[in-house]
Amino acid sequence: AQTVTQSQPEMSVQEAETVTLSCTYDTSESDYYLFWYKQPPSRQMILVIRQEAYKQQNATENRFSVNFQKAAKSFSLKISDSQLGDAAMYFCAYNNAGNMLTFGGGTRLMVKP
Amino acid sequence: GAGVSQSPRYKVAKRGQDVALRCDPISGHVSLFWYQQALGQGPEFLTYFQNEAQLDKSGLPSDRFFAERPEGSVSTLKIQRTQQEDSAVYLCASSLGGGYQPQHFGDGTRLSIL
Repeated sequence: AQTVTQSQPEMSVQEAETVTLSCTYDTSESDYYLFWYKQPPSRQMILVIRQEAYKQQNATENRFSVNFQKAAKSFSLKISDSQLGDAAMYFCAYNNAGNMLTFGGGTRLMVKP
Repeated sequence: GAGVSQSPRYKVAKRGQDVALRCDPISGHVSLFWYQQALGQGPEFLTYFQNEAQLDKSGLPSDRFFAERPEGSVSTLKIQRTQQEDSAVYLCASSLGGGYQPQHFGDGTRLSIL
């Protein structure tokens, strides 16, 4: 079974600074997708960024980028120029066979003004 | 455009009661997923529909949990004889189709069992 691990329960960053959230996963599959979702107190899971395993180039979406290390099974999220609105729970998720998502336990990000 | 809609937003029930949670997916989305999120944890998969067919229900924790999507659109998650451990947020997500289409989530239903 696939597992996703987020080793940082909480992270804190100063506004306008950069922060990196860690995620590792375990799988025997070669083809899969990885995602980062943001969950504010409103509870809605919002897709931040996704990465296809067969693509070596790291995905980027505006201030959000990933560092995907397939051999190490690592998928970290970098948030640049942090904003107060970035404060939320962040979940790393794995998907293979186009079916269910397997989520990590989450990292709570706090942004200090 | 309209996103995934879930109702009710909050539900309080006494232990032993039956509850029904509704999910209205994005129009045209073929795939629909239910997840259970316990307090302070990541969501866990419950079940998956493609149109009206329930293709995977491996995550349903017991036979008290039942989900349906009779016309391939709106889905209902029913929990019979609720127990305190059923207290959680229940999230619904939909996607355009199979493969790796991104899943779009609703706001969830927070279920509290007294």
